[in-house]
Amino acid sequence: EAGVTQFPSHSVIEKGQTVTLRCDPISGHDNLYWYRRVMGKEIKFLLHFVKESKQDESGMPNNRFLAERTGGTYSTLKVQPAELEDSGVYFCASSQFLQETQYFGPGTRLLVL
Amino acid sequence: DQQVKQNSPSLSVQEGRISILNCDYTNSMFDYFLWYKKYPAEGPTFLISISSIKDKNEDGRFTVFLNKSAKHLSLHIVPSQPGDSAVYFCAASGQGNDMRFGAGTRLTVKP
Repeated sequence: EAGVTQFPSHSVIEKGQTVTLRCDPISGHDNLYWYRRVMGKEIKFLLHFVKESKQDESGMPNNRFLAERTGGTYSTLKVQPAELEDSGVYFCASSQFLQETQYFGPGTRLLVL
Repeated sequence: DQQVKQNSPSLSVQEGRISILNCDYTNSMFDYFLWYKKYPAEGPTFLISISSIKDKNEDGRFTVFLNKSAKHLSLHIVPSQPGDSAVYFCAASGQGNDMRFGAGTRLTVKP
């Protein structure tokens, strides 16, 4: 069974540019989560989808971040315009409906210069 | 607000000895706790979990203990192996399934 995949693995952009990160969850997993780890510190929750609906987006830092999950399959996280403090590793995780254990992707390393 | 805390950023143990990683939480609504292991340049990998109705869960060399009254959990690895060297994250979730993570503890197991 394929795990959670994320694309790209790395992204280097300039301040003010736009970047779109993609996450493909494990097939059949209704729950999809986005997390961010900044400066090697704790992993912070960004938002949670149940199928195509946003269940909780309380962790989204500001309106420069937009997450979508059209069709309830893969998800995208767009940062527009990117700022220096957006640099970090963005993780996606998925889980089955009503299951607690989340399975993580390898992360996308974003560097904003 | 850091609801899950791992106060030790690093831990070094000798191969074969026990590794004990600690985690404290503040939110009494958390009812499920997990440990993840992370190698460099990889995503966190699920290791072991425990529900709040239990106080111990064991899986091979890994045991997680939960003390609800103290809002404290710990991960015991025995015997420790060099391949266990990684960053370990404690995580907790409540009704909404949204996890909160600690800052991680870097474990180094020396041969």
